[in-house]
This record gives sequence, C-alpha cells and structure tokens, in this order.
Amino acid sequence: GAGVSQSPSNKVTEKGKDVELRCDPISGHTALYWYRQSLGQGLEFLIYFQGNSAPDKSGLPSDRFSAERTGGSVSTLTIQRTQQEDSAVYLCASSPTQGLGETQYFGPGTRLLVL
Amino acid sequence: DQQVKQNSPSLSVQEGRISILNCDYTNSMFDYFLWYKKYPAEGPTFLISISSIKDKNEDGRFTVFLNKSAKHLSLHIVPSQPGDSAVYFCAGGFQKLVFGTGTRLLVSP
Repeated sequence: GAGVSQSPSNKVTEKGKDVELRCDPISGHTALYWYRQSLGQGLEFLIYFQGNSAPDKSGLPSDRFSAERTGGSVSTLTIQRTQQEDSAVYLCASSPTQGLGETQYFGPGTRLLVL
Repeated sequence: DQQVKQNSPSLSVQEGRISILNCDYTNSMFDYFLWYKKYPAEGPTFLISISSIKDKNEDGRFTVFLNKSAKHLSLHIVPSQPGDSAVYFCAGGFQKLVFGTGTRLLVSP
C-alpha cells in the first residue's frame, strides 16, 4: 500500500530564497509530524498536526519556519529566507492517531541544501 | 539539552553474533520507548517498542530491555544478519518523540 510520500526528494536553493516541502501522509492518518536531521544529529522534532491544527509547534527553530495542513491530509513546510544552517534532511511521518506509543510511519525525506 | 543519548556512533559485529545497541535518557516522564531502523536514502522504520511499565519486550530476533533506575535501554539483535546493517535510533516518548543521534550498525558476513 501507499506509504508516506514527500516531495521534492532533493532541493538545492540559494541562501535567502524560500522553499516549500510537501508531505502526503498515509490515507486516514490523523496525526502528521515534521522532523529534520542535520548532519551528525538525531531527528529533531519540528511540529505536529492533529487533523489540520498544530497543537505543538515548539520545535520550529525560528519564525522563518511555518507549516500548514489542509483537509487533514497534505502538509507543507515552508522555510523563508533560507540560511545555510537550514541544510538538512526534512522528514515527515504520520500515524493513525496521536496516541501514546503510536507507531509513526516515515517518508523518505527531502534533502535540502542551501548554498 | 539532549534528553536521549546514543553514545556509540558505530558498532561492528560479525554475522551470527549478538548486537547490543545502547541508549540513555534523562527525562523520567517518558511513557514509552521505541527503536527505529534507517537505511540510506530511506525514512526510519519502526522496529520495536517498550512501555515504561515493562522491562523487556521481545519480537523475534529483537529484544529491548529497559532499566528505569539507570535510565537506560538497550536493543539486542541475535543472531545478527548482514541485512541488519543500518542506523538505529532510539526514541523516548511523552507528549512527543525525542530521538537519539543514532548508532550505525555494520554486520559483516
């Protein structure tokens, strides 16, 4: 069956430009998560959605980062005025609910390189 | 503040032997712990989990042990297979998952 998909798979951009990263969760999954993994680091939580609302945005590193989710499905992570330190793999995950111990299913990630 | 630590960045094991991956945490509020496996260019995939009320959970070749007093958990893989070669992340969960930095396991034939 279809898993979590992300696009683009790779993105190279110039410093100062805006980028949009897209996540298509597994159909029917109400919870959606964004993480990033910088070189040599673990997965860093950014934000999660329950339906279309984001109860926890605590991981967003700065106000240049924003995310939205529409129709309880697709989510877009936007980074404005990108900086070189934004270079990382951005991972999206979904789960059926946001219950304790709920397994999260990850997409393949978007590799972002800011020159 | 790293709430979940995997102090060994890499581990090499021979096929058929036991692999032990370790993880330490600081947040006593974690309700559950999970291990994920990640191959290059793929997203992490769930491997095994354990609730904070248990001290062991076994699934086939994979066993996770939890020592709450030491705030330590470990993943045992026995027997190890070359296909187990991947990066393994442990994570603690309370209101959200907090991941460690990963341990790269290499199982040689």
